[in-house]
Parts: sequence; C-alpha cells; structure tokens
Amino acid sequence: QVQLQESGPGLVKPSGTLSLTCAVSGGSISSNNWWSWVRQPPGKGLEWIGEIYHSGSTNYNPSLKSRVTISVDKSKNQFSLNLNSVTAADTAMYYCARKAWDRPNYFDSWGQGTLVTVSS
Amino acid sequence: DIQMTQSPSSLSASVGDRVTITCRASQTISSYLNWYQQRPGKAPKLLIYAASSLQSGVPSRFSGSGSGTDFTLAISSLQPEDFATYYCQQGYSTPSFGGGTKVEIK
Repeated sequence: QVQLQESGPGLVKPSGTLSLTCAVSGGSISSNNWWSWVRQPPGKGLEWIGEIYHSGSTNYNPSLKSRVTISVDKSKNQFSLNLNSVTAADTAMYYCARKAWDRPNYFDSWGQGTLVTVSS
Repeated sequence: DIQMTQSPSSLSASVGDRVTITCRASQTISSYLNWYQQRPGKAPKLLIYAASSLQSGVPSRFSGSGSGTDFTLAISSLQPEDFATYYCQQGYSTPSFGGGTKVEIK
C-alpha cells in the first residue's frame, strides 16, 4: 500500500517561498497516477494546488498558477512543491496525495499533512 | 471553474440515524463526483468515487447517488466513528471541493 509523507519548514516569512517535499513509499512514483498537493487553511475547506506526472507534466490551480511550481525526482521517489511570494493567506495544512490518472480523478492516498504558518 | 456547493454545512444526529448530505455542481459533471471523510486532525479519506462506487474497505452503510449536477451521500446507520466532516469533490475538470458538511453528535 502506497504511503506519502510530507516534509519541510513549518514557518515561512511573508514574501518568502514555501518549499515542501512528499516522499512516496510502498509504490513507484512512475506509476500511472498524478501526484498532487492539496491545502486546507485552519478551520476551512480543501483547495487543490496542482499536480505532476512522472514525466514532468504539470497542471496547476489557475488561482495559484503564477506562484506555484511542482517538480518530481524519480531517483528519490518524491515530488516537491514551491509556492513563492507567500502571505498569511497561505497559512494552511498542506497535504500531498495520489490522484487517479483520469476521470473521476479521485484522491485515493494522502499524506498525514504538514502545517505551514506564514509569519514574521 | 466548477463550483461545488454542499448542504447542510453542519448537522446533528444520533447513533443509528440515517443521514444524507447533498452536493450540487455549478455545471454538469456526469458521474465524476467523489466523497471524502475527514476526522479531526486527520487527512481526508476516500469513501465513494464516480458518484456511487464504494472504495475498498469502506463500510457498506455508506452509499452515493446522483449524476449531472445533484449528488447525495447517505449513511444508513450512523456509527460513533462516522462523526466527522464530509467533502464532495468533482473530478470532471480541474479538481474542486465542496465546502464540507460537519456531522456532529446530537
């Protein structure tokens, strides 16, 4: 059973860059799935950030596209998120998740999440 | 963008009750609708995919129905571990989630 684990700084300064990594175990990142990032501000709902395929193809949420980069490292079986120019509004629990290759595009495996706070 | 609207935003129910949650899409999404359960402090868990298919390992008291723009998640007999927040998610285009329905103990 595939497992995902997020890692990265829990505190980022305003205007800085949020960087997180998701390590995949129990399965290959080169499988026929998309690898996604989803976030959840405290007490609020879920927001899809973007996704990457092992080939390097990416899709991003249009509302975040100008600030987001997702990359993959197949040699380490992991993928990463960079979100630049962060503000307090980017404070959230960040989850990595495995998404189905095609419709209905469900997320069937999730990491435990990592809380990132944007504050000086 | 496809907007997903859930109702109610919260509900109170007792163990053994039948509970239904609705989700409406801003445009037709065929049957590309998924449901998740999120317990406090935990990651979401996939319950139902493609509107009505039960994810492996999920109890049969959970069921989903609907197509087009209107969908329903039903819990036939609420158990103590079912008190959680439930989210719908459309998989027709760029993924988007409903605002959530919190199921609380009456």
